[in-house]
Amino acid sequence: GAVVSQHPSRVICKSGTSVKIECRSLDFQATTMFWYRQFPKKSLMLMATSNEGSKATYEQGVEKDKFLINHASLTLSTLTVTSAHPEDSSFYICSARGDREAGELFFGEGSRLTVL
Amino acid sequence: GQNIDQPTEMTATEGAIVQINCTYQTSGFNGLFWYQQHAGEAPTFLSYNVLDGLEEKGRFSSFLSRSKGYSYLLLKELQMKDSASYLCALLDSNYQLIWGAGTKLIIKP
Repeated sequence: GAVVSQHPSRVICKSGTSVKIECRSLDFQATTMFWYRQFPKKSLMLMATSNEGSKATYEQGVEKDKFLINHASLTLSTLTVTSAHPEDSSFYICSARGDREAGELFFGEGSRLTVL
Repeated sequence: GQNIDQPTEMTATEGAIVQINCTYQTSGFNGLFWYQQHAGEAPTFLSYNVLDGLEEKGRFSSFLSRSKGYSYLLLKELQMKDSASYLCALLDSNYQLIWGAGTKLIIKP
């Protein structure tokens, strides 16, 4: 099946620094990628929809200037958490829509961010 | 509006069968997904139903009734590794996934 790779899987950073998370579709082209955040014991929360070559569409309540999304190619989307704070500590997951079965999503492995 | 309901937690015995229900209300529908998620990991795709009926895939089966706004995931011959959260997700008219809160399934020996 289709593969989505997410990197890094774990990152620890100091408060005030920025962290970049990459999401790559390895064997298919993904015009649309999604970024999710998951709080402990909660379901996935969609943060934004990333479309190749255009600006991301953010969900209500998600700060665009804090969570920068760039989808520069058909195989790569990046999420940058700027000026990270401890409350940004979370599990971030990306997914890409496959080009076969309508709507089927393929997920990255997730990135656990810890801000000290 | 859109709404998805599924039980918060279920417990079952190893080797048994369990059915996890999901009910939904939506104005636009392009299918329903079930995903499995182990603690600390990303969700993995289990099934996709867009037409009424039962889809069987090994030990897992998924059922959909669009007129009733109802789906279930059936797990047979339960194994300890099946302990996980099971997420029901609706694909709306804009092809956006609307997620349920997930059902935590606990398997006991």
